[in-house]
Amino acid sequence: DARVTQTPRHKVTEMGQEVTMRCQPILGHNTVFWYRQTMMQGLELLAYFRNRAPLDDSGMPKDRFSAEMPDATLATLKIQPSEPRDSAVYFCASGFLAGDYNEQFFGPGTRLTVL
Amino acid sequence: GENVEQHPSTLSVQEGDSAVIKCTYSDSASNYFPWYKQELGKGPQLIIDIRSNVGEKKDQRIAVTLNKTAKHFSLHITETQPEDSAVYFCAARGGGGADGLTFGKGTHLIIQP
Repeated sequence: DARVTQTPRHKVTEMGQEVTMRCQPILGHNTVFWYRQTMMQGLELLAYFRNRAPLDDSGMPKDRFSAEMPDATLATLKIQPSEPRDSAVYFCASGFLAGDYNEQFFGPGTRLTVL
Repeated sequence: GENVEQHPSTLSVQEGDSAVIKCTYSDSASNYFPWYKQELGKGPQLIIDIRSNVGEKKDQRIAVTLNKTAKHFSLHITETQPEDSAVYFCAARGGGGADGLTFGKGTHLIIQP
């Protein structure tokens, strides 16, 4: 049963600290997304990659957030320095997007609390 | 950019009855409309989707309809069961090659026994 995995599942940190979230997409998927979920804003796209190349990061605060795909099995989202307003659940999703294939499958999320 | 509106925010129905959740979108170039179910503490789970060249799609008790002219789509759940209780999100993928989804704010579906 192929699934997107994310680590850590929960993270509590203090303002100013660096936070790194990791995602392992489903094997064979060519597109990886990062979304953020908050009560106020709902689910928002932060960035995504196709074949490990960044395609869109317009939803991401550029000054403190960075997203990378060091290899096909790992995507990372880093916040430095973290702020209380970054508290949210961060989801990674992956899919094989080509032609009529559009489905995105979400991981369980990383719940981040910045004190 | 795309904007997706979802109604209602909360829906309570008796077990066995039908539930309908409605969404509208703003970008006429949007071409893909998935629905996700999210249970507490879990990630969104894709339950059904529809492409812009199709008007209706059904999968057992779940169906989705799309009206491109009016730019709205709906989720229909028949014979609701307690395990259908969750938050449901509609989403749209805009045109122009953008693959990211724009989500509605969600509907909390409550199935009353």
